[in-house]
Amino acid sequence: NAGVTQTPKFQVLKTGQSMTLQCAQDMNHEYMSWYRQDPGMGLRLIHYSVGAGITDQGEVPNGYNVSRSTTEDFPLRLLSAAPSQTSVYFCASSYSKGLADTQYFGPGTRLTVL
Amino acid sequence: EDQVTQSPEALRLQEGESSSLNCSYTVSGLRGLFWYRQDPGKGPEFLFTLYSAGEEKEKERLKATLTKKESFLHITAPKPEDSATYLCAVQEGAQKLVFGQGTRLTINP
Repeated sequence: NAGVTQTPKFQVLKTGQSMTLQCAQDMNHEYMSWYRQDPGMGLRLIHYSVGAGITDQGEVPNGYNVSRSTTEDFPLRLLSAAPSQTSVYFCASSYSKGLADTQYFGPGTRLTVL
Repeated sequence: EDQVTQSPEALRLQEGESSSLNCSYTVSGLRGLFWYRQDPGKGPEFLFTLYSAGEEKEKERLKATLTKKESFLHITAPKPEDSATYLCAVQEGAQKLVFGQGTRLTINP
């Protein structure tokens, strides 16, 4: 098992550009989520999905879109990048929808918006 | 609103010097409290899940405990390879985690 994989590892964008951060898991997990990590702020939830075709907003969803067409993939789209979106982005997945099940994290994507 | 506060923000110890990290939380219905370890440039790595007050879990030099208001991560006789940022998170609703800001632990040889 590769676990949770994320691409790219690093990305530099100009203000106004769009891009998609990729996340995939091969553990047949139903729940997937995206977090951003900023210095002094901790990890904050952007969007999450409890299964294919179902997504919902987290704490900081503005400026980001998600979709979940398959169980394995959960891409995060930045529609028009802003410097405030400079951050490290982590994708996570877990098996269970309702119980307190362990979330496993990917290696992260470090994004800089100029 | 769920809140998680970790202290101290940073901790520097000598090798072999035991100590504890604190995670205080306010949540209306705790489903689980998680501890993760994060190395620079890496994603969080799962350590423990605690579900109810009084529960304890151990792994090598680490021991996590839970009360109704806080959790402690005790580190006994640490080694330099235990240097990392330790993250605490609580889960109230379905799978949504609320993280603390982390404690950056440095173990000097």
